[in-house]
Amino acid sequence: DVKVTQSSRYLVKRTGEKVFLECVQDMDHENMFWYRQDPGLGLRLIYFSYDVKMKEKGDIPEGYSVSREKKERFSLILESASTNQTSMYLCASSPDREWHSNQPQHFGDGTRLSIL
Amino acid sequence: GIQVEQSPPDLILQEGANSTLRCNFSDSVNNLQWFHQNPWGQLINLFYIPSGTKQNGRLSATTVATERYSLLYISSSQTTDSGVYFCACREDSNYQLIWGAGTKLIIKP
Repeated sequence: DVKVTQSSRYLVKRTGEKVFLECVQDMDHENMFWYRQDPGLGLRLIYFSYDVKMKEKGDIPEGYSVSREKKERFSLILESASTNQTSMYLCASSPDREWHSNQPQHFGDGTRLSIL
Repeated sequence: GIQVEQSPPDLILQEGANSTLRCNFSDSVNNLQWFHQNPWGQLINLFYIPSGTKQNGRLSATTVATERYSLLYISSSQTTDSGVYFCACREDSNYQLIWGAGTKLIIKP
């Protein structure tokens, strides 16, 4: 079974802090994704990566950055956390290098981040 | 881009009832997944079903790609089936999954 592991289930940080959310997958997947989920807004894509050191902006990249130094790890960084970044953050991975070969995305358990 | 619509938005049923959730999509897709998000926020893959029919226990799904819809069937509902069911699709030229707004299912004992 695919295992996508997010480093924290719950996290509380203060406004202005630099926050790191870590995600690791154990299936040698090419693609990794970061979403945030808010009530009434569904899942929105923040960033994704289709290869090591490669990244693409999703729908809502403002206020975030990402890092993919190793294939199995994809980090989401809040450079200066703000209260409107309080949310549920979900990481996912999928194996296809070519987008048209299509494979399902597998999700981690999520991190509930609160910014005070 | 592709639009994904789910219906109904909310569904309340008694334990033991059957239900059908629908997902309509506006363009051809090469990836369609059904997910269940439990009350603790965990998102669980149910089916990867860009076309055809699959079954897994009390759950089954059918996608009719030519008519641009997918159905998720839940039989003999249990309280643990409660949560939000999402449909997500990917169109041919895009990495991104496009998500429906979800169907919130409540199963009463």
